[in-house]
Amino acid sequence: DVKVTQSSRYLVKRTGEKVFLECVQDMDHENMFWYRQDPGLGLRLIYFSYDVKMKEKGDIPEGYSVSREKKERFSLILESASTNQTSMYLCASAFMRQGNIQYFGAGTRLSVL
Amino acid sequence: QKEVEQNSGPLSVPEGAIASLNCTYSDRGSQSFFWYRQYSGKSPELIMFIYSNGDKEDGRFTAQLNKASQYVSLLIRDSQPSDSATYLCAVRQGRDDKIIFGKGTRLHILP
Repeated sequence: DVKVTQSSRYLVKRTGEKVFLECVQDMDHENMFWYRQDPGLGLRLIYFSYDVKMKEKGDIPEGYSVSREKKERFSLILESASTNQTSMYLCASAFMRQGNIQYFGAGTRLSVL
Repeated sequence: QKEVEQNSGPLSVPEGAIASLNCTYSDRGSQSFFWYRQYSGKSPELIMFIYSNGDKEDGRFTAQLNKASQYVSLLIRDSQPSDSATYLCAVRQGRDDKIIFGKGTRLHILP
């Protein structure tokens, strides 16, 4: 079974704090993704990575950055958290030769006060 | 035109009936199609994928693909209350291999 682990299920931070969301997968997948999900807006892609040290902007990268120093780990960074970044954050990984099927972690519900 | 479109619902179906969920997509070159189930407060879980025109069955689930009409559907037979969830359609685009998700259809199975 594919396992995608996100470091926290719930997180509460204050405006202006630097926030790190960690994601680890154990299936040697090349591709990893960060989404946020808000009611009525569906899944929105923030950043993705097709290889170590590679990153590509998704649809809503503003206010976020990412790091992929190792193949199994993909981190999402909120440089200065704002209240409009309160959301559910979902990490996914995929194996290109499996048709890029994405497997999701449990999600992190982030509240920025 | 949105890239992947789904009716947001809620779709209410009596227990034991067939639930039919529909999805249309805009990229004619799309090759792979996925259905995810998402329970409230949980993350999406892959339940079906389909690559070829026609039907693909897995237990109570059947995915149907019609590339000419750019249409993919999910049928759930003998619907159970545990099937109540949001169902996300996802499409792998032909032009760039990106996976695009629809916003999902909320399904409510009435006991």
